Order: sequence, then C-alpha cells, then structure tokens
Amino acid sequence: ETGVTQTPRHLVMGMTNKKSLKCEQHLGHNAMYWYKQSAKKPLELMFVYNFKEQTENNSVPSRFSPECPNSSHLFLHLHTLQPEDSALYLCASTRGTADSEQFFGPGTRLTVL
Amino acid sequence: SQQGEEDPQALSIQEGENATMNCSYKTSINNLQWYRQNSGRGLVHLILIRSNEREKHSGRLRVTLDTSKKSSSLLITASRAADTASYFCATNTGTASKLTFGTGTRLQVTL
Repeated sequence: ETGVTQTPRHLVMGMTNKKSLKCEQHLGHNAMYWYKQSAKKPLELMFVYNFKEQTENNSVPSRFSPECPNSSHLFLHLHTLQPEDSALYLCASTRGTADSEQFFGPGTRLTVL
Repeated sequence: SQQGEEDPQALSIQEGENATMNCSYKTSINNLQWYRQNSGRGLVHLILIRSNEREKHSGRLRVTLDTSKKSSSLLITASRAADTASYFCATNTGTASKLTFGTGTRLQVTL
C-alpha cells in the first residue's frame, strides 16, 4: 500500500456517459497529479495541483475536468469521452518539493465503448 | 517531448542473473528517479539520484548517472522472478516535483 487510493479500479462507460474518478492520499502531501497511461506510450502528465490550486494543465481536452477540493482528494470528471481515451488513469501525490518521490495509486482502468 | 528513453524495451533473463536497463534524456536535470510497475498497477518508487551524484545503491539495486552523456543505468543484481515488472526512469528538471517519464523496460525473469 502506498497511501494513495483510487476508485473505481475498473470503469466501463459509453461515450455519452458522465463518470468521475476519485483519488485520496493519506500521506499529508501537498501536491497531487493525474496521469494517463496508454499502451506503448510514456506516462502522460495531465494535471498538477499544489495546495488545491491547479498549477499545470498539459493541454488536456475539456472532456476531462479535474477537481481538487482539498489537499487530500482529487477527482477527474469525465464526459463525452472517446474510445481513444481508454487507458489506465493514475493518481500520484508528493510533498511538492523538487526532490520528492511520487507515490502512486493503483490506477483506474477505463474502457470507453 | 519525451525526456527519458529506456533501453532495451524488453529484457528476458533467468533467475540469479543481473539485469541492466539504461535511460537517456535530453535536457539538464535536477534529479533522475527509477520506478517499477507491476502489470496494470501503479508505479512504485525505487531510487532517486541527484544531478551531483554519480552512483547510488539500495539493496540489490545500483543506479549510475552520467550527466555528461545524459544517461543513467539501473542494475538489478541476482534477479528473482518477483522482479518481473516494467521499469521506468523519470527526470525532474527542477520544476517543483514534476516528472517526465520514459516508455519503460519490460523485464521478465524466468525460473
């Protein structure tokens, strides 16, 4: 256990559905991240939050909408996704300093039909 | 753009042998980190090496960093079947704790 939990672990949704991914960290960290991992591609950083404020949006389409109500929780709201959005979505947290290791959750395996 | 590239993409060895994975990157870094990922799971941090360090050890892991060549290597000694996983290098360029990951090396250790 890394101290970062993600729910659900698996999600299948249609292109017209709206769903949300949840991430929670129990480590007292200040920074949280969403990554997308597709087959045979490097991990893609999507969003970064520091102290609840979004500090990075890596040109992510607006059909992905993050929310960070506090330093311990991070959500990714999904709507009108495309089949190519099917991937493993990973959440991570860190203390926020440059030499911090990242602690990852187990991921949500998303399939868009 | 992709910062880290691992080599080889896939490696198959027998238990007890050593496994060496390499990582090359393009820009100056603050530190370089190695992570491990079991199939379909989250990544687990293995080791961090700072730009002013050349070598670091942790248990059966040995990491080297050559900033002049912009490359790093991860050596796993006396490998075990449980070491079967994908291994990723990730570079930090000093922007808080943001990391850029490579595509990974898939290691298979057979009995």
